[in-house]
Amino acid sequence: SYELTQPPSVSVSPGQTASITCSGDGLGHKYVSWSQFKPGQSPVLVIHRDDQRPSGIPERFSGSNSGNTATLTISGTQAMDEADYYCQAWDTSIWVFGGGTKLTVL
Amino acid sequence: QVQLQQWGAGLLKPSETLSLTCAVSGGSLSGYYGTWIRQPPGKGLEWIGEINQSGSTTYNPSLRSRVTISLDSSKKQFSLTLRSVTAADTAVYYCAREDSSSSRLDGMDVWGQGTTVTVSS
Repeated sequence: SYELTQPPSVSVSPGQTASITCSGDGLGHKYVSWSQFKPGQSPVLVIHRDDQRPSGIPERFSGSNSGNTATLTISGTQAMDEADYYCQAWDTSIWVFGGGTKLTVL
Repeated sequence: QVQLQQWGAGLLKPSETLSLTCAVSGGSLSGYYGTWIRQPPGKGLEWIGEINQSGSTTYNPSLRSRVTISLDSSKKQFSLTLRSVTAADTAVYYCAREDSSSSRLDGMDVWGQGTTVTVSS
């Protein structure tokens, strides 16, 4: 079965750039979405179709996907961006998710 | 603003049946998949399955024998039934919506708030 691998945690200082990776065999040939999970809130889609931001998502969120790795980049990270982030991709009739990355802003 | 509101029993005993319902407000289910996803404690997300506006379903093979997803279009609701639950089914369950015309490019654009389901004797 297809697997997506994310680092369990990433730390970033406020105002700096955070990069969260998602790796999978031939991932660059698939389309990747990223969702943000905060405790007590409904998850939010922050990037879809590799690099597209849904309406209402700040410009500091961007995405890329090439080779075997997709990357979610948060520029000028703010305290409110502290959350768990999950990548996902469609593979052979099933949605596959990465294991999630906890972003800590400190 | 489209919202998904979900509800259902939060505490089950082994062998019982899990039932959750998700309702769409401020928008439509027409043209979308209604999807269920779960997250066991300390683990990642697992896609359970989906239903389209015609009532056609697709399930994760790992759960297919125990899962049923159904649709009530008139109420803009879709439901999850998971039979013969065990402790391994303890998780936060989310409903979500995916544009069925997006060819699997875009993921889920709206999510429910999540329901914690615990299976314990």
